[in-house]
Amino acid sequence: DAGVIQSPRHEVTEMGQEVTLRCKPISGHDYLFWYRQTMMRGLELLIYFNNNVPIDDSGMPEDRFSAKMPNASFSTLKIQPSEPRDSAVYFCASSPTRTGELFFGEGSRLTVL
Amino acid sequence: QKEVEQNSGPLSVPEGAIASLNCTYSDRGSQSFFWYRQYSGKSPELIMFIYSNGDKEDGRFTAQLNKASQYVSLLIRDSQPSDSATYLCAVYNFNKFYFGSGTKLNVKP
Repeated sequence: DAGVIQSPRHEVTEMGQEVTLRCKPISGHDYLFWYRQTMMRGLELLIYFNNNVPIDDSGMPEDRFSAKMPNASFSTLKIQPSEPRDSAVYFCASSPTRTGELFFGEGSRLTVL
Repeated sequence: QKEVEQNSGPLSVPEGAIASLNCTYSDRGSQSFFWYRQYSGKSPELIMFIYSNGDKEDGRFTAQLNKASQYVSLLIRDSQPSDSATYLCAVYNFNKFYFGSGTKLNVKP
């Protein structure tokens, strides 16, 4: 299995630009999670989906953030407009069950100048 | 109060020693507990999980859970330089995983 695939691996953009991060979960995993990791705040859950339906988006910091999962094999996290404080590593993870192991992608490192 | 607390370290141990990593959590209703290892610049990977009070052993790793004290620990026996990483404690509660900020472990040859 290829594992969770994220793109891009690195993104450098200027403040105010739109950023779209992409994720392909492991086939057969019904749960998909978006996390953000920074030195100051550690690993924070932004949103998670079950069978393509958003279940909990209480961790999404502002309306500038949105996430979609149009089908079982693809999800996006969009930031519009981006700000320097959004700079972080964004991880996508999938899991076959609600309480089981999280399989993380390699992450997307975002730098907003 | 954070859901999951860990000492950030770094914790330095000599090669071959036992490394002891600790974690406390705030919600008594927490149901399951995980230890993830994260190498610098990489993504977290699961190394242990535990659901019941007591010890659970897997190779050189032992997870310990004490629900009364709301305390989880990870012991690494015969530590190797390749164990040098940040160890994240995660707690599952009310449909969410809460992660600690991680403890950085350095194993010196």
